[in-house]
Amino acid sequence: DQQVKQNSPSLSVQEGRISILNCDYTNSMFDYFLWYKKYPAEGPTFLISISSIKDKNEDGRFTVFLNKSAKHLSLHIVPSQPGDSAVYFCAASASAGGTSYGKLTFGQGTILTVHP
Amino acid sequence: SQTIHQWPATLVQPVGSPLSLECTVEGTSNPNLYWYRQAAGRGLQLLFYSVGIGQISSEVPQNLSASRPQDRQFILSSKKLLLSDSGFYLCAWSGRASGRFYNEQFFGPGTRLTVL
Repeated sequence: DQQVKQNSPSLSVQEGRISILNCDYTNSMFDYFLWYKKYPAEGPTFLISISSIKDKNEDGRFTVFLNKSAKHLSLHIVPSQPGDSAVYFCAASASAGGTSYGKLTFGQGTILTVHP
Repeated sequence: SQTIHQWPATLVQPVGSPLSLECTVEGTSNPNLYWYRQAAGRGLQLLFYSVGIGQISSEVPQNLSASRPQDRQFILSSKKLLLSDSGFYLCAWSGRASGRFYNEQFFGPGTRLTVL
């Protein structure tokens, strides 16, 4: 049972344009969401996160939107740069009650390619 | 600042041989520690997590085991490797404050394991 899904395996965007990466989840207990960026043969790098009490969080060129009713979140990158080309993973945590021990459930990833 | 180390970076092992991968964290105390595996073309699968010395929780049944002999050391082992154990192994840590665990996890550089 895939509780976190990234239905687009890949996305291609022109430099300077907006990149929108999508993620859906099924577990209503998830209340904290994160995005990671991963280059080949390296560990994932934390990008941005959002708590379920918010619907938007912004950090520089990166903005994450959360739609709890649709169980959907998205990562917007504006403007996109060639260096953003990587695999992007969304992840979710059910932290209510403090017993999750920070365990994350990851999506399958989306390969973003930004063309110069 | 905190850093996380993993070694070796790459490993080629024959089927049936033992395995030991090591992960150490610097700059923090009493972290949560995690082992993940990324199979080719797949997302990150949580294998084990630890909330303290000697405390190991397994997420999936498998041919692997984990140990935490020291606060900032996490070891992934196998007595006899299978072909299906090939993959990219990642160690991660997360911090805590006031008894609650932070959701953000920070990953090491990973170990590429090939079982032949």
